[in-house]
Amino acid sequence: DSGVTQTPKHLITATGQRVTLRCSPRSGDLSVYWYQQSLDQGLQFLIQYYNGEERAKGNILERFSAQQFPDLHSELNLSSLELGDSALYFCASSVDLGNTEAFFGQGTRLTVV
Amino acid sequence: AQSVTQLGSHVSVSEGALVLLRCNYSSSVPPYLFWYVQYPNQGLQLLLKYTTGATLVKGINGFEAEFKKSETSFHLTKPSAHMSDAAEYFCAVSDIQGAQKLVFGQGTRLTINP
Repeated sequence: DSGVTQTPKHLITATGQRVTLRCSPRSGDLSVYWYQQSLDQGLQFLIQYYNGEERAKGNILERFSAQQFPDLHSELNLSSLELGDSALYFCASSVDLGNTEAFFGQGTRLTVV
Repeated sequence: AQSVTQLGSHVSVSEGALVLLRCNYSSSVPPYLFWYVQYPNQGLQLLLKYTTGATLVKGINGFEAEFKKSETSFHLTKPSAHMSDAAEYFCAVSDIQGAQKLVFGQGTRLTINP
């Protein structure tokens, strides 16, 4: 158990819908990262937050957004969903911004039908 | 931009044999390098990492990797494979400037034959 909790574990929704994925980082970790794992794109970095502030952005679509709340949990919002958004979405957390170890949650598997 | 190439999407070895998973990276700045393992229906677990210092890095479960700057490589090895090593392995690179924005390779699925 990495200490990073992601909910829900599985999500099935229809095209055009909007979903919210939730991540609770390890106790004491200030940095949260979101990654998308799909068969065609592999593991791709989406976005990073540190202590509530956005710090880095990767290949995140405009239909996607995220935030980190004062209690440090984070949410990834995916809207106007398309079939191609079906993927495993991972959250990871680390203590700080430096290249310390990032701990990954078990992921949320999103299926868009 | 940084990138990672893992040579071989599938590797199959016999139990007890040497495991060698290849990773080459590209980075314009001194890299930090990582190997992660993903078991079925699980998240990613860090096996080992190279930041600075000793180029031979030992990790969990008997794995080790050697950073070779001249070859831009960070291959993962284990002297003797165990059935429990069957999983997907990902090599990743991040830059030295901080934010652990990892760039992952495509992954190598390791199969262990009895």
